[in-house]
Amino acid sequence: AQTVTQSQPEMSVQEAETVTLSCTYDTSENNYYLFWYKQPPSRQMILVIRQEAYKQQNATENRFSVNFQKAAKSFSLKISDSQLGDTAMYFCAFMRQGAQKLVFGQGTRLTINP
Amino acid sequence: GAVVSQHPSRVICKSGTSVKIECRSLDFQATTMFWYRQFPKQSLMLMATSNEGSKATYEQGVEKDKFLINHASLTLSTLTVASAHPEDSSFYICSAAGRGTEAFFGQGTRLTVV
Repeated sequence: AQTVTQSQPEMSVQEAETVTLSCTYDTSENNYYLFWYKQPPSRQMILVIRQEAYKQQNATENRFSVNFQKAAKSFSLKISDSQLGDTAMYFCAFMRQGAQKLVFGQGTRLTINP
Repeated sequence: GAVVSQHPSRVICKSGTSVKIECRSLDFQATTMFWYRQFPKQSLMLMATSNEGSKATYEQGVEKDKFLINHASLTLSTLTVASAHPEDSSFYICSAAGRGTEAFFGQGTRLTVV
Protein backbone atom coordinates (compact mmCIF):
# COMPACT_ATOMS: atom_id res chain seq x y z
CA ALA A 1 0.00 0.00 0.00
CA GLN A 2 1.07 3.53 -0.64
CA THR A 3 1.80 5.96 2.17
CA VAL A 4 2.40 9.69 2.14
CA THR A 5 4.25 11.48 4.92
CA GLN A 6 4.36 15.17 5.66
CA SER A 7 6.75 15.69 8.53
CA GLN A 8 6.00 19.36 9.20
CA PRO A 9 2.69 19.77 11.08
CA GLU A 10 2.99 23.57 11.10
CA MET A 11 5.07 26.25 9.42
CA SER A 12 5.06 29.99 9.63
CA VAL A 13 6.84 32.58 7.48
CA GLN A 14 6.69 36.29 6.81
CA GLU A 15 4.89 37.67 3.79
CA ALA A 16 7.06 37.75 0.63
CA GLU A 17 9.38 35.05 1.92
CA THR A 18 9.90 31.70 0.25
CA VAL A 19 8.77 28.55 2.02
CA THR A 20 9.24 24.87 1.23
CA LEU A 21 6.87 22.15 2.40
CA SER A 22 8.17 18.59 2.55
CA CYS A 23 6.51 15.38 1.42
CA THR A 24 7.81 11.85 1.08
CA TYR A 25 5.94 8.82 -0.13
CA ASP A 26 6.36 5.12 -0.37
CA THR A 27 5.24 3.02 -3.32
CA SER A 28 6.32 0.13 -5.46
CA GLU A 29 4.51 1.61 -8.47
CA ASN A 30 6.44 3.14 -11.34
CA ASN A 31 3.62 5.15 -12.92
CA TYR A 32 1.76 7.55 -10.68
CA TYR A 33 0.84 11.16 -10.04
CA LEU A 34 1.63 13.44 -7.15
CA PHE A 35 -0.40 16.45 -6.08
CA TRP A 36 -0.36 19.34 -3.69
CA TYR A 37 -3.75 20.54 -2.49
CA LYS A 38 -4.52 23.68 -0.53
CA GLN A 39 -7.35 23.77 1.99
CA PRO A 40 -8.06 27.34 3.17
CA PRO A 41 -10.35 28.13 6.12
CA SER A 42 -13.34 27.67 3.81
CA ARG A 43 -12.23 23.99 3.67
CA GLN A 44 -12.64 23.80 -0.10
CA MET A 45 -9.90 21.58 -1.50
CA ILE A 46 -7.99 23.42 -4.21
CA LEU A 47 -5.50 21.77 -6.51
CA VAL A 48 -2.23 23.70 -6.41
CA ILE A 49 0.02 21.63 -8.63
CA ARG A 50 0.41 18.14 -10.05
CA GLN A 51 3.37 16.08 -11.22
CA GLU A 52 3.42 13.04 -13.43
CA ALA A 53 6.03 10.56 -12.26
CA TYR A 54 7.26 9.85 -15.77
CA LYS A 55 8.20 13.49 -16.27
CA GLN A 56 11.64 14.46 -15.09
CA GLN A 57 10.92 18.17 -15.34
CA ASN A 58 9.57 19.69 -12.15
CA ALA A 59 6.09 21.18 -12.43
CA THR A 60 5.58 24.90 -11.89
CA GLU A 61 2.46 27.04 -11.55
CA ASN A 62 3.26 30.72 -11.15
CA ARG A 63 4.66 31.11 -7.61
CA PHE A 64 4.36 27.39 -6.88
CA SER A 65 6.94 24.84 -7.92
CA VAL A 66 7.90 21.35 -6.88
CA ASN A 67 11.13 19.49 -6.38
CA PHE A 68 10.36 15.96 -7.47
CA GLN A 69 13.03 13.41 -6.63
CA LYS A 70 11.71 10.07 -7.84
CA ALA A 71 14.55 7.92 -6.59
CA ALA A 72 14.31 9.47 -3.15
CA LYS A 73 10.49 9.42 -3.28
CA SER A 74 10.39 13.04 -2.31
CA PHE A 75 7.98 15.72 -3.53
CA SER A 76 8.42 19.12 -1.90
CA LEU A 77 6.44 22.27 -2.65
CA LYS A 78 8.10 25.66 -2.86
CA ILE A 79 6.02 28.80 -2.55
CA SER A 80 7.84 31.92 -3.68
CA ASP A 81 6.91 35.46 -2.71
CA SER A 82 4.39 34.14 -0.22
CA GLN A 83 1.13 36.04 0.21
CA LEU A 84 -1.35 36.28 3.06
CA GLY A 85 -3.83 34.33 0.96
CA ASP A 86 -1.47 31.37 0.94
CA THR A 87 -2.36 30.72 4.59
CA ALA A 88 -4.00 27.29 4.57
CA MET A 89 -3.56 23.60 5.19
CA TYR A 90 -1.51 21.96 2.48
CA PHE A 91 -1.87 18.29 1.65
CA CYS A 92 0.44 16.18 -0.43
CA ALA A 93 -1.32 13.35 -2.26
CA PHE A 94 -0.42 10.27 -4.30
CA MET A 95 -2.46 8.64 -7.04
CA ARG A 96 -1.56 5.43 -8.80
CA GLN A 97 -1.99 5.69 -12.55
CA GLY A 98 -5.44 4.50 -13.56
CA ALA A 99 -6.72 4.37 -9.99
CA GLN A 100 -8.18 7.90 -9.42
CA LYS A 101 -8.02 7.22 -5.68
CA LEU A 102 -5.94 9.71 -3.71
CA VAL A 103 -3.79 8.88 -0.71
CA PHE A 104 -3.21 11.97 1.42
CA GLY A 105 -0.47 12.99 3.78
CA GLN A 106 -1.22 14.34 7.23
CA GLY A 107 -1.08 17.95 6.11
CA THR A 108 1.00 21.01 6.95
CA ARG A 109 -0.61 24.09 8.39
CA LEU A 110 1.05 27.10 6.77
CA THR A 111 0.66 30.58 8.17
CA ILE A 112 1.85 33.65 6.30
CA ASN A 113 2.40 36.55 8.68
CA PRO A 114 2.08 40.20 7.60
CA GLY B 1 -11.32 22.72 -13.65
CA ALA B 2 -14.57 20.84 -13.45
CA VAL B 3 -17.24 21.82 -10.95
CA VAL B 4 -18.51 19.56 -8.19
CA SER B 5 -21.36 20.80 -6.04
CA GLN B 6 -22.01 19.36 -2.60
CA HIS B 7 -25.17 20.08 -0.65
CA PRO B 8 -25.91 21.01 2.06
CA SER B 9 -22.85 22.90 3.26
CA ARG B 10 -23.99 22.68 6.87
CA VAL B 11 -26.56 20.53 8.61
CA ILE B 12 -27.58 20.11 12.21
CA CYS B 13 -29.72 17.14 13.09
CA LYS B 14 -31.03 15.40 16.16
CA SER B 15 -29.48 12.19 17.37
CA GLY B 16 -31.20 9.18 15.82
CA THR B 17 -32.28 10.88 12.63
CA SER B 18 -30.82 10.26 9.16
CA VAL B 19 -29.08 12.84 7.04
CA LYS B 20 -28.53 12.80 3.29
CA ILE B 21 -25.66 14.63 1.59
CA GLU B 22 -25.62 15.13 -2.17
CA CYS B 23 -22.64 15.38 -4.48
CA ARG B 24 -23.19 16.49 -8.07
CA SER B 25 -20.83 16.87 -10.99
CA LEU B 26 -22.15 19.89 -12.87
CA ASP B 27 -20.26 19.88 -16.13
CA PHE B 28 -18.91 16.37 -16.58
CA GLN B 29 -19.94 12.76 -16.14
CA ALA B 30 -18.54 11.32 -12.94
CA THR B 31 -17.89 7.64 -13.38
CA THR B 32 -16.34 7.45 -9.92
CA MET B 33 -17.10 9.37 -6.75
CA PHE B 34 -15.25 9.33 -3.48
CA TRP B 35 -16.47 10.18 0.01
CA TYR B 36 -14.10 11.43 2.67
CA ARG B 37 -14.40 12.31 6.32
CA GLN B 38 -12.21 14.93 7.92
CA PHE B 39 -11.83 15.50 11.65
CA PRO B 40 -10.62 18.90 12.89
CA LYS B 41 -6.98 19.57 12.07
CA GLN B 42 -6.59 16.18 10.47
CA SER B 43 -6.24 14.83 6.97
CA LEU B 44 -8.95 13.45 4.73
CA MET B 45 -9.87 9.85 5.40
CA LEU B 46 -11.37 7.96 2.49
CA MET B 47 -14.62 6.31 3.50
CA ALA B 48 -15.77 4.73 0.25
CA THR B 49 -15.50 4.71 -3.50
CA SER B 50 -18.58 4.48 -5.68
CA ASN B 51 -18.87 3.72 -9.35
CA GLU B 52 -22.03 4.61 -11.24
CA GLY B 53 -24.52 1.80 -11.21
CA SER B 54 -22.66 -0.47 -8.83
CA LYS B 55 -22.30 -0.92 -5.09
CA ALA B 56 -19.83 1.24 -3.23
CA THR B 57 -16.54 -0.13 -2.00
CA TYR B 58 -15.98 0.78 1.64
CA GLU B 59 -12.64 1.26 3.33
CA GLN B 60 -11.74 -0.93 6.26
CA GLY B 61 -13.47 0.13 9.45
CA VAL B 62 -16.27 2.10 7.75
CA GLU B 63 -19.74 0.78 8.57
CA LYS B 64 -21.63 0.35 5.32
CA ASP B 65 -24.94 0.12 7.16
CA LYS B 66 -24.26 3.45 8.84
CA PHE B 67 -22.93 5.30 5.80
CA LEU B 68 -25.16 4.45 2.86
CA ILE B 69 -23.84 5.47 -0.53
CA ASN B 70 -25.84 5.61 -3.72
CA HIS B 71 -24.43 6.48 -7.14
CA ALA B 72 -27.43 6.05 -9.37
CA SER B 73 -26.44 8.42 -12.14
CA LEU B 74 -23.31 9.80 -13.77
CA THR B 75 -23.83 13.17 -12.10
CA LEU B 76 -25.11 12.38 -8.64
CA SER B 77 -23.95 10.43 -5.62
CA THR B 78 -25.49 10.58 -2.16
CA LEU B 79 -24.20 9.74 1.27
CA THR B 80 -26.80 9.00 3.92
CA VAL B 81 -25.73 8.91 7.54
CA ALA B 82 -28.25 6.56 9.09
CA SER B 83 -29.40 7.05 12.67
CA ALA B 84 -26.78 9.70 13.25
CA HIS B 85 -25.15 10.09 16.66
CA PRO B 86 -22.90 12.82 18.06
CA GLU B 87 -19.77 10.83 17.20
CA ASP B 88 -20.78 11.06 13.53
CA SER B 89 -20.34 14.83 13.69
CA SER B 90 -17.62 15.70 11.24
CA PHE B 91 -16.78 17.35 7.93
CA TYR B 92 -17.68 15.21 4.94
CA ILE B 93 -16.18 15.86 1.50
CA CYS B 94 -16.96 14.28 -1.84
CA SER B 95 -14.89 14.21 -4.97
CA ALA B 96 -15.85 13.16 -8.47
CA ALA B 97 -13.78 11.87 -11.37
CA GLY B 98 -14.59 11.29 -15.01
CA ARG B 99 -13.14 8.44 -17.02
CA GLY B 100 -9.39 8.74 -16.99
CA THR B 101 -9.35 12.10 -15.23
CA GLU B 102 -8.35 13.30 -11.82
CA ALA B 103 -10.94 13.92 -9.14
CA PHE B 104 -12.46 17.30 -8.32
CA PHE B 105 -13.73 18.17 -4.87
CA GLY B 106 -17.02 19.44 -3.56
CA GLN B 107 -17.22 22.20 -0.98
CA GLY B 108 -17.79 19.84 1.91
CA THR B 109 -20.59 19.39 4.44
CA ARG B 110 -20.27 20.12 8.12
CA LEU B 111 -22.52 17.71 10.02
CA THR B 112 -23.39 18.38 13.63
CA VAL B 113 -25.48 15.84 15.50
CA VAL B 114 -27.05 17.11 18.71
